[in-house]
Amino acid sequence: DADVTQTPRNRITKTGKRIMLECSQTKGHDRMYWYRQDPGLGLRLIYYSFDVKDINKGEISDGYSVSRQAQAKFSLSLESAIPNQTALYFCATSDPAGGNTQYFGPGTRLTVL
Amino acid sequence: QKEVEQDPGPLSVPEGAIVSLNCTYSNSAFQYFMWYRQYSRKGPELLMYTYSSGNKEDGRFTAQVDKSSKYISLFIRDSQPSDSATYLCAMAQAGTALIFGKGTTLSVSS
Repeated sequence: DADVTQTPRNRITKTGKRIMLECSQTKGHDRMYWYRQDPGLGLRLIYYSFDVKDINKGEISDGYSVSRQAQAKFSLSLESAIPNQTALYFCATSDPAGGNTQYFGPGTRLTVL
Repeated sequence: QKEVEQDPGPLSVPEGAIVSLNCTYSNSAFQYFMWYRQYSRKGPELLMYTYSSGNKEDGRFTAQVDKSSKYISLFIRDSQPSDSATYLCAMAQAGTALIFGKGTTLSVSS
């Protein structure tokens, strides 16, 4: 079984809808991250969490919110989806003892019409 | 100036060639340097990890960090078609999130 899983893997939705992307990990890491990836723009950090009680905004947090339900679960919500949020979304985890090495999930491809 | 700069390519080479991928950075506080490989429609996977300066070798892959020049490199020897992917450099200070380059797309033809 994969160490970092994301659901759904693909989602098509309409402008204005609320969407939740979920991430679960079995690596036992405290740190979790959400990124989006767009062609030509690379990976951009949306939010990150260094433990269950810690939530931090990343480079592009506007229009997104997160919830850290447990050490193993970190969800990303789009409160009112818009077309420019169409992208590939990745969840990642890291262990500070491992020098910030991050382990990525398989990604969620989100299309907002 | 962005914190991490990486030429997006694309880079096309014949099988067996030596490939050199590079990133420059501006933050002298970076201590952790990594290279990730990403196949199409997959998540990035860690390829090489280096702490501070120096070289690290793993099979056909060699990572170099030159902190005085703020420059990191990944060399791939005897490149194979299976090496065709996007390669992302990433770096961080202690206790902070990784900063990624935009990635270089590599194509190795047989």
